[in-house]
Amino acid sequence: KAGVTQTPRYLIKTRGQQVTLSCSPISGHRSVSWYQQTPGQGLQFLFEYFSETQRNKGNFPGRFSGRQFSNSRSEMNVSTLELGDSALYLCASSFEQGARSHEQFFGPGTRLTVL
Amino acid sequence: AQKVTQAQTEISVVEKEDVTLDCVYETRDTTYYLFWYKQPPSGELVFLIRRNSFDEQNEISGRYSWNFQKSTSSFNFTITASQVVDSAVYFCALSDADMDTGRRALTFGSGTRLQVQP
Repeated sequence: KAGVTQTPRYLIKTRGQQVTLSCSPISGHRSVSWYQQTPGQGLQFLFEYFSETQRNKGNFPGRFSGRQFSNSRSEMNVSTLELGDSALYLCASSFEQGARSHEQFFGPGTRLTVL
Repeated sequence: AQKVTQAQTEISVVEKEDVTLDCVYETRDTTYYLFWYKQPPSGELVFLIRRNSFDEQNEISGRYSWNFQKSTSSFNFTITASQVVDSAVYFCALSDADMDTGRRALTFGSGTRLQVQP
């Protein structure tokens, strides 16, 4: 079974630009979550999508947004990039029901560098 | 608010030594989930174990074992006979599991970098 895939793996952008990151969950997983990892703040929850709806949101500004498609694939968008947005962005997917529904499986991440 | 503390920033051991990674958590929820993840240099977080708040049984999987104690809000992870391949950053995490809506989010500790020297 294929794992969580994220594209692209690496991105370099400049301040003020916007960026879109993509995540394909494990087949059968309908919940997709996004996390930001930086050296200073560690791993922080951005948001979670289920059934094309944002179900949970972390404490990030409105420049960070996302969406989920009917096939459970998800995208996140960051507008008006700032230097502090440089980070590893990780996507995770999980089953919605069952004994393993709270186990989140992560993709390899997208490393975003903002110059 | 939930919080996970991993007080050990970095641990260095020699191969075949046993090593324990500490994790202390805070939550007001009565039902919650605890996790350990491994992050090798490649960056991907690898799921190691999930523990439910209502199941305090310790668990062993090969060289890995976990000790969950609700009384001290700790969920420690021990690697027996460490190997160079165990070198990675290890994260403890707590799940904010809303049983009514199904919403979920992981609160991570700051991680412990384990270096196993040959």
